[in-house]
Amino acid sequence: GENVEQHPSTLSVQEGDSAVIKCTYSDSASNYFPWYKQELGKGPQLIIDIRSNVGEKKDQRIAVTLNKTAKHFSLHITETQPEDSAVYFCAASPPWAGKSTFGDGTTLTVKP
Amino acid sequence: GAVVSQHPSRVICKSGTSVKIECRSLDFQATTMFWYRQFPKQSLMLMATSNEGSKATYEQGVEKDKFLINHASLTLSTLTVTSAHPEDSSFYICSASDSHNQPQHFGDGTRLSIL
Repeated sequence: GENVEQHPSTLSVQEGDSAVIKCTYSDSASNYFPWYKQELGKGPQLIIDIRSNVGEKKDQRIAVTLNKTAKHFSLHITETQPEDSAVYFCAASPPWAGKSTFGDGTTLTVKP
Repeated sequence: GAVVSQHPSRVICKSGTSVKIECRSLDFQATTMFWYRQFPKQSLMLMATSNEGSKATYEQGVEKDKFLINHASLTLSTLTVTSAHPEDSSFYICSASDSHNQPQHFGDGTRLSIL
């Protein structure tokens, strides 16, 4: 099955700095890669996603890049703010699986 | 945007009680619903996948007789934890999707505490 590794497990940045979270996946057939943000005591919320037919997608301060050859994708958050502090999960979805495989999460702390 | 409502948000009950958790998609038809369990500071552990009108597919190691899942309509799935014990205490989260390889929309979770 699909296996997703996510790094780092914790990340602390100063407000205004950029944050990058990286994920690798094992199944070259995976073609859908969402990113979720989970705040304390709540369920994860989709923040951005990318499909295998594009290499980069941007939404304001958030961007995701995908390297299909290397089988890795990354989340980039620019101009971080304290409210960006949360746990972020990446996921990969092979078309045959009917479900996404999640990474283990990254706890991002943005210090004011 | 797509909204998933999960109830109750918190349950505290005695050992041996059965607890039902509801997951509703409010503004879309959820052909597939997922149930997760999450321990503190850990990732999402998929318990089962359910498609409307079909039996749920359980992940390895998840007891289907312990965690009963019903997905009788395109907007409602339920998870019943039968004869709950303290080791079943956890954060349970549902998600729903309107088709494969589309975003999963998550509920806000249920904090289950068994005394």
